[in-house]
Amino acid sequence: DQQVKQNSPSLSVQEGRISILNCDYTNSMFDYFLWYKKYPAEGPTFLISISSIKDKNEDGRFTVFLNKSAKHLSLHIVPSQPGDSAVYFCAASGYNQGGKLIFGQGTELSVKP
Amino acid sequence: DSGVTQTPKHLITATGQRVTLRCSPRSGDLSVYWYQQSLDQGLQFLIHYYNGEERAKGNILERFSAQQFPDLHSELNLSSLELGDSALYFCASSVGITSGGARNTQYFGPGTRLTVL
Repeated sequence: DQQVKQNSPSLSVQEGRISILNCDYTNSMFDYFLWYKKYPAEGPTFLISISSIKDKNEDGRFTVFLNKSAKHLSLHIVPSQPGDSAVYFCAASGYNQGGKLIFGQGTELSVKP
Repeated sequence: DSGVTQTPKHLITATGQRVTLRCSPRSGDLSVYWYQQSLDQGLQFLIHYYNGEERAKGNILERFSAQQFPDLHSELNLSSLELGDSALYFCASSVGITSGGARNTQYFGPGTRLTVL
């Protein structure tokens, strides 16, 4: 049972445009959500997070939106840059998860010049 | 650079052998987590230690064990290795133990790529 799902394995966007990466979850006990960026042969790099008491968090070009009723979150990157090309993982944690993160399968973003 | 270090970066060994992966958390972090990433799977949680004590276990095989030492570094021991154990093994650390908020934001090391031949 996959509790965190990223249904798009890949996404291609033109440089300068908006990239929108989506993530759905099933466990209503999740209360903290994170996005990580990963390059091949490197560890995931923390990008941005959001608590379940908020519906939006912004950090520079990155904004995460949370829709609790739909159990859906999204990461917006504006404007997209070629250096953003990587695999993006959505992750969730909840007080009943013992601190561990539950990861989605990842979405590979390709930003074309 | 996340501040989390892992050694070795690459490890090639044979089936049936035993290996030890090492992780040093960020300065000040008390929690250490181990994750496995296989080719066809996402990041799977293995085990969590907080200040030397085991706090949670995921789908960790009985052939695998871990510990966190008084200086807070952690080691993941993999024994009786099988071909299917070939994967990337990541260590992550965080300040706190409970869910929610920046205290549980986990910072990942560069990983150890294990190849079992």
